[in-house]
Amino acid sequence: EPEVTQTPSHQVTQMGQEVILRCVPISNHLYFYWYRQILGQKVEFLVSFYNNEISEKSEIFDDQFSVERPDGSNFTLKIRSTKLEDSAMYFCASRETRQVSNTGELFFGEGSRLTVL
Amino acid sequence: EDQVTQSPEALRLQEGESSSLNCSYTVSGLRGLFWYRQDPGKGPEFLFTLYSAGEEKEKERLKATLTKKESFLHITAPKPEDSATYLCAVLTGGGNKLTFGTGTQLKVEL
Repeated sequence: EPEVTQTPSHQVTQMGQEVILRCVPISNHLYFYWYRQILGQKVEFLVSFYNNEISEKSEIFDDQFSVERPDGSNFTLKIRSTKLEDSAMYFCASRETRQVSNTGELFFGEGSRLTVL
Repeated sequence: EDQVTQSPEALRLQEGESSSLNCSYTVSGLRGLFWYRQDPGKGPEFLFTLYSAGEEKEKERLKATLTKKESFLHITAPKPEDSATYLCAVLTGGGNKLTFGTGTQLKVEL
C-alpha cells in the first residue's frame, strides 16, 4: 500500500538552529500538507501546498517557516531559527484531489519528532 | 472559529464491552467530518468520512454516525487491538484544512 514517508524520525537541535524536515508524498498525489502535534495537544494545521505554491496557512506558520517542493518527489518544511516552542511531532500529509473526494482520505506520514533544546 | 470537542478524554473498556465516543462540533459550513485512529508515536490513520446528517459508515467493529451537531463512533465488542487514540476532525471552508479535536484515548483490557 502506498504511504507517505518522512525523515528524520527524530531530530534534536539547539534553539536558533535551522531545521529541514523531509517528506515523500504518495506519488500520484497533488496536494500536500504539514500538520504538527505538540505533546499532549491537538493535531494542528500548518500549511497546504498545491501547484508549487502555498494555498492556505495557519497563524502558526509565520515567517520562520517555509515549504518547498524541490523536485518531483520531495516536500520539505524548513524552520529557520527554531524556538523551544517548536518542539513537536510534525506530520506530512497528502491527498490525491483538492476537493473532498468520495473517501475524503488524507494520508498522513508517521511523523518527525523535533526536540529543540 | 471552528471548534471540535471530543468526550470522554479517556475510556477504559473490558474486551467485548461496547461503547460510544462523542465528537461535538461548532463550525460554519461543514464539508466533512473525519475519524482517525492514532497509535502512540504514529501518524493518524484514516477511518471514515461523513458528509451529511444521517449518514452512517461501518468498518469491522466501528460504526460512525453524524447529526447536525455531533458525531458518534460506536465500537461494538472491542478487542485489545482497538486500543488507540481516536481523533475527530472537521473540514470546512475552502476544504484545505482539518480542525482536530483532542481525541479520546481508548484502552481495551482483557
